[in-house]
Amino acid sequence: EPEVTQTPSHQVTQMGQEVILRCVPISNHLYFYWYRQILGQKVEFLVSFYNNEISEKSEIFDDQFSVERPDGSNFTLKIRSTKLEDSAMYFCASSFTGTSNYNEQFFGPGTRLTVL
Amino acid sequence: DAKTTQPPSMDCAEGRAANLPCNHSTISGNEYVYWYRQIHSQGPQYIIHGLKNNETNEMASLIITEDRKSSTLILPHATLRDTAVYYCIVRSYNNNDMRFGAGTRLTVKP
Repeated sequence: EPEVTQTPSHQVTQMGQEVILRCVPISNHLYFYWYRQILGQKVEFLVSFYNNEISEKSEIFDDQFSVERPDGSNFTLKIRSTKLEDSAMYFCASSFTGTSNYNEQFFGPGTRLTVL
Repeated sequence: DAKTTQPPSMDCAEGRAANLPCNHSTISGNEYVYWYRQIHSQGPQYIIHGLKNNETNEMASLIITEDRKSSTLILPHATLRDTAVYYCIVRSYNNNDMRFGAGTRLTVKP
């Protein structure tokens, strides 16, 4: 069964450093998403991406964040200058459709980001 | 998107049906009810969704009341592996993000 994969599973970085989290969505999916979950808190939407541009983003997704689909298979989340409060589990998701009644999003296993 | 209310926790005996309620009294006509679950710290897993008709798939059944103000997710024969946090999400047709709440922590006991 196709699945979303994410690398690395755990990333440790120093405050102020740039990190890139990588995701390989399901191959025939067209919509891509990033979510995050701070330890003990709820899953929060960050951004959705379609047709090589951001289609929706939350208040959390400020100028420190960017997303890119550098090739036909990868989808990345970059945090330019990490802060302690960026420590969280980051989940990538993909779906075949976007704003329709068949928007089942399939989530990856997550990348745990620890900022020291 | 409409707000949802779920009990924070529930227990269920292994092999019995687990009935997880969700209240979404402010739901509007173009909003769908989605259910996801999250096992420990894994990525959320899609379970089922519906608009107004009851739905069933290999994982669960979704019962939506006639006025659509509440719904129930039914796991017909819960196993220990169904222990997870279950999220009821109401999503507008026009939005493509899922807004997760606190969910219900279901514990299946032997």
